[in-house]
Amino acid sequence: GAVVSQHPSRVICKSGTSVKIECRSLDFQATTMFWYRQFPKKSLMLMATSNEGSKATYEQGVEKDKFLINHASLTLSTLTVTSAHPEDSSFYICSAKMTREQYFGPGTRLTVT
Amino acid sequence: AQSVTQLDSHVSVSEGTPVLLRCNYSSSYSPSLFWYVQHPNKGLQLLLKYTSAATLVKGINGFEAEFKKSETSFHLTKPSAHMSDAAEYFCVVRNNNNDMRFGAGTRLTVKP
Repeated sequence: GAVVSQHPSRVICKSGTSVKIECRSLDFQATTMFWYRQFPKKSLMLMATSNEGSKATYEQGVEKDKFLINHASLTLSTLTVTSAHPEDSSFYICSAKMTREQYFGPGTRLTVT
Repeated sequence: AQSVTQLDSHVSVSEGTPVLLRCNYSSSYSPSLFWYVQHPNKGLQLLLKYTSAATLVKGINGFEAEFKKSETSFHLTKPSAHMSDAAEYFCVVRNNNNDMRFGAGTRLTVKP
């Protein structure tokens, strides 16, 4: 079946630094990838949609300069949280689309101290 | 845009009793609907999906859901709860843009 991986699974960083999260489709090519954010005990909120080779489309209220998304190839999308603050601590989940189906990664837990 | 509403934030059942997790959708056309489960500190696992074929959809681990257009509902059921079913459950609708919109989630607790 279609597998999506995320790296790292957990990351702790200091306030003010930047952290990059990778999302890879391991056995298929994904023209579209999605990034979600999940606060503790909350639902998933779509942050942005990224298409390979073009700029990401951000949901209302998501700062594009803070959450940089790069979809450089058909199997890799990256989310960079720039100048991280404690309020950016969250569980970030990506998904990759193949035909009409979406496949979710296992998530990355970011803790900003 | 399509959306889903999960009517219960928390459901508690005893092991061996039936499970009912409620979900209503809002859509201007026949939607694609999904149920996902998330165990603590884990990723999402697809339980089942409805994509305009049979209205009664059978999923993994004994779960099933019925699409009822007249009631705009897609409730998740299981005849007999198991301790391992304790988790967070999300009802999800897929939009025209193919992005997924999640419900607020229902936390299922299973008592021994």
